Amino acid sequence: NAGVTQTPKFQVLKTGQSMTLQCAQDMNHEYMSWYRQDPGMGLRLIHYSVGAGITDQGEVPNGYNVSRSTTEDFPLRLLSAAPSQTSVYFCASSYSSGPYEQYFGPGTRLTVT
Amino acid sequence: DAKTTQPPSMDCAEGRAANLPCNHSTISGNEYVYWYRQIHSQGPQYIIHGLKNNETNEMASLIITEDRKSSTLILPHATLRDTAVYYCIVRVFIQGAQKLVFGQGTRLTINP
Repeated sequence: NAGVTQTPKFQVLKTGQSMTLQCAQDMNHEYMSWYRQDPGMGLRLIHYSVGAGITDQGEVPNGYNVSRSTTEDFPLRLLSAAPSQTSVYFCASSYSSGPYEQYFGPGTRLTVT
Repeated sequence: DAKTTQPPSMDCAEGRAANLPCNHSTISGNEYVYWYRQIHSQGPQYIIHGLKNNETNEMASLIITEDRKSSTLILPHATLRDTAVYYCIVRVFIQGAQKLVFGQGTRLTINP
């Protein structure tokens, strides 16, 4: 199993550009989520999904869109990048039928200039 | 979800047991205690979780007090690779919802 994979590892954007951060898992997990981590801070939840076709907002959803068309993939879209979105982004997945552990991807380091 | 309080930093000598405390005085009866760690800039790694009973796995032990208001994560023989930020998280399990709320965690440094 590859686990949770994220691409790209690094990205630099100019203010106003859009892009999609990719996240995929091969463990047949129902639950997937996106977090951001700013320097010296804990992770904050952006959006999450409990299954294909179902998404919901987390703690800091503004400026981000998600969709879940398949169980495996959960892309995060930045509509119009802003410097405040400079952060490290982590994707996570887990089974949802019990209090299971979450598996995290290696992260995408995004810089918006 | 209940709030948690952890010391911001701790040190431990290599080979000794590292005991990381967590206070969760407002925990309710159906909330689980989870521990994750984050090594440098990597994605968080699950360590262990429990509800009422003490738990042990290949990585660590989790000791939960009888009143459930605090817990301790024990790394029995700490190595340099255990240097990381450790997060204690308390949350209710609701089928389908696995949201985790991360605090600041404890930065554990293992010294040679």
